[in-house]
Amino acid sequence: GESVGLHLPTLSVQEGDNSIINCAYSNSASDYFIWYKQESGKGPQFIIDIRSNMDKRQGQRVTVLLNKTVKHLSLQIAATQPGDSAVYFCAENNATDKLIFGTGTRLQVFP
Amino acid sequence: SQTIHQWPATLVQPVGSPLSLECTVEGTSNPNLYWYRQAAGRGLQLLFYSVGIGQISSEVPQNLSASRPQDRQFILSSKKLLLSDSGFYLCAWSVGRWNYGYTFGSGTRLTVV
Repeated sequence: GESVGLHLPTLSVQEGDNSIINCAYSNSASDYFIWYKQESGKGPQFIIDIRSNMDKRQGQRVTVLLNKTVKHLSLQIAATQPGDSAVYFCAENNATDKLIFGTGTRLQVFP
Repeated sequence: SQTIHQWPATLVQPVGSPLSLECTVEGTSNPNLYWYRQAAGRGLQLLFYSVGIGQISSEVPQNLSASRPQDRQFILSSKKLLLSDSGFYLCAWSVGRWNYGYTFGSGTRLTVV
């Protein structure tokens, strides 16, 4: 069935370095992708989204890259800070009202 | 501005007891509403979604049910809880595909003992 998965379950980075979190999706019909951040005990929060007619989208300290050829999505966080420590989920949508979520990557930031 | 309220924040219930979790949305009309469950250290599993009053779609067969008695109210229920019903329950709303996906509530941590 359709699935969205992540390559790395845990990512540890030093404060100030850049972080890259990867995600693979299997449904080539998906045309809308979202990255969420979830802190412990809280609901997921929207970070950034991208439509399939784009390859790159930038926000404040975050960039999402979409490679439709290999069905790969990545989230880049510049100058990672301790407050960025959380679990990050990618999600995909394909012309329905439902989002399909990946299993998540835990980002750990150490001083 | 739109807000979503979910309560209670934590709940400990004995096996076999009933459950009622409530979610309400403010500041928007006719939202799509969703219930998700998240097991510890895992991803989000869609349980139910609703596109309107009285309209409920179930994604997985289980011991739970959902109802939408009002436009901005979504309720998750069970008649008899099982140990496997333990988890983090999240309510979310959306008003269309392209509008930043879902907005999630703060969640309810349910422990069935």
